[in-house]
Amino acid sequence: DQQVKQNSPSLSVQEGRISILNCDYTNSMFDYFLWYKKYPAEGPTFLISISSIKDKNEDGRFTVFLNKSAKHLSLHIVPSQPGDSAVYFCAASGSGAGSYQLTFGKGTKLSVIP
Amino acid sequence: GAGVSQTPSNKVTEKGKYVELRCDPISGHTALYWYRQSLGQGPEFLIYFQGTGAADDSGLPNDRFFAVRPEGSVSTLKIQRTERGDSAVYLCASSQSGGSGTGELFFGEGSRLTVL
Repeated sequence: DQQVKQNSPSLSVQEGRISILNCDYTNSMFDYFLWYKKYPAEGPTFLISISSIKDKNEDGRFTVFLNKSAKHLSLHIVPSQPGDSAVYFCAASGSGAGSYQLTFGKGTKLSVIP
Repeated sequence: GAGVSQTPSNKVTEKGKYVELRCDPISGHTALYWYRQSLGQGPEFLIYFQGTGAADDSGLPNDRFFAVRPEGSVSTLKIQRTERGDSAVYLCASSQSGGSGTGELFFGEGSRLTVL
C-alpha cells in the first residue's frame, strides 16, 4: 500500500520550459515533505522541503507547492536545464518520534531535452 | 572524503551466503539510517541509529537482517542466509541529528547487492 505516490514514471521537457513533478500522499499524519534528486550510480541528494504549515517554498529555480486538503504536492523547476535530468523522489515524514523515517515514492525520471 | 562512504559498491553472492555492508557516515553526524531500494521502487526505510543504539529497527524485513554501530560512527548491515529477493541497492544516510524536519539526510552511493 503506497503511502506516497508518484504516478508519472517519466517526464520529458524542453530546455528552458517549466517542469512540474507531482506527488500524492495518503497518510494524514505526514507533516514534512521533501524532494530528492538522484543521478545514476549516485545516492539521492536533498533538493527542497516544505513543512505542512506552509503551502509554498522556493529555492532558486525550484519551488514546492503543498495542498494539504488534496494531499498533493508538486515540484516546479523553471527554467529547466539539461543538468536537471535525473530521477526525482518525493518523500514524507511524520512529526515527533516518527520524524526521522522517510517514506518515498517510486520516483519520476525527468529528461530535459536541449 | 566529506560524504557518506559505503563499501562494497557492488556485491554478488550466492543464495544462502552471509553478507556485510559497511557505511562510514559524515564525521560528526549522530544519526545514521539504512534504506533499501529495489528495482523500480523508491528507497524503503530499514533502521535508524541515534549514536550507538538502534532507535528504530521496524523496517528490517526479518531476523536475517541485523545492523550495528558499536562506536557511534561506522555501521555494518549484516544479512544472513541471503535470498534472491534481497537483491537491491542498500543505501546508507546520515544527518546531524535525528528527524527529517531538523536536517536533511545525506545519502551514500549505495551498495548494490545481487544474490544469485
